[in-house]
Amino acid sequence: SQQGEEDPQALSIQEGENATMNCSYKTSINNLQWYRQNSGRGLVHLILIRSNEREKHSGRLRVTLDTSKKSSSLLITASRAADTASYFCATDLKTSYDKVIFGPGTSLSVIP
Amino acid sequence: DGGITQSPKYLFRKEGQNVTLSCEQNLNHDAMYWYRQDPGQGLRLIYYSQIVNDFQKGDIAEGYSVSREKKESFPLTVTSAQKNPTAFYLCASSFRDRGNTIYFGEGSWLTVV
Repeated sequence: SQQGEEDPQALSIQEGENATMNCSYKTSINNLQWYRQNSGRGLVHLILIRSNEREKHSGRLRVTLDTSKKSSSLLITASRAADTASYFCATDLKTSYDKVIFGPGTSLSVIP
Repeated sequence: DGGITQSPKYLFRKEGQNVTLSCEQNLNHDAMYWYRQDPGQGLRLIYYSQIVNDFQKGDIAEGYSVSREKKESFPLTVTSAQKNPTAFYLCASSFRDRGNTIYFGEGSWLTVV
């Protein structure tokens, strides 16, 4: 069964707008990471947030983590057409940190 | 340059044949992973390995086999027992400590004809 679930499944916005994607998970984690995938390519790491952190920033990215709700959000500010991609959250379980599980992803389209 | 190399990029397999996908990394990573991705879907973990000569099944290991004879290499064999092997396969690696970034190869497309 999926450990992480992103929503929405698909998101379409205009260039310059902000994009928010959410991730929920089921069991306790050590860390949560967000990745990006352009169509037909491998995944690229964006940002990692540890279970004892609540918010993290990297450039136009802002990630929050609420362990009480078992959820995380990824905010991309001032989106660009080049941000068009699929975004995945990934969690490593407290019981088996080497086993990293990915959610089904959010497909983001940024319209110029 | 350091990275993960998967080959081949595209592979066609006849039904009933085994096929092996190669994955090599020169990042000195301890852990390596294989994921399967179906069109428009997320990644599902097939196998992962934390050290040489050791590996564990992921969520969808049936019909697949792996070996980890060298730290740099983690080949995946898709056997004839895998009933629906057409998919995009991604190899990845990371350092073994908690919270390390996973680095991905560019993937291999496998199509059964």
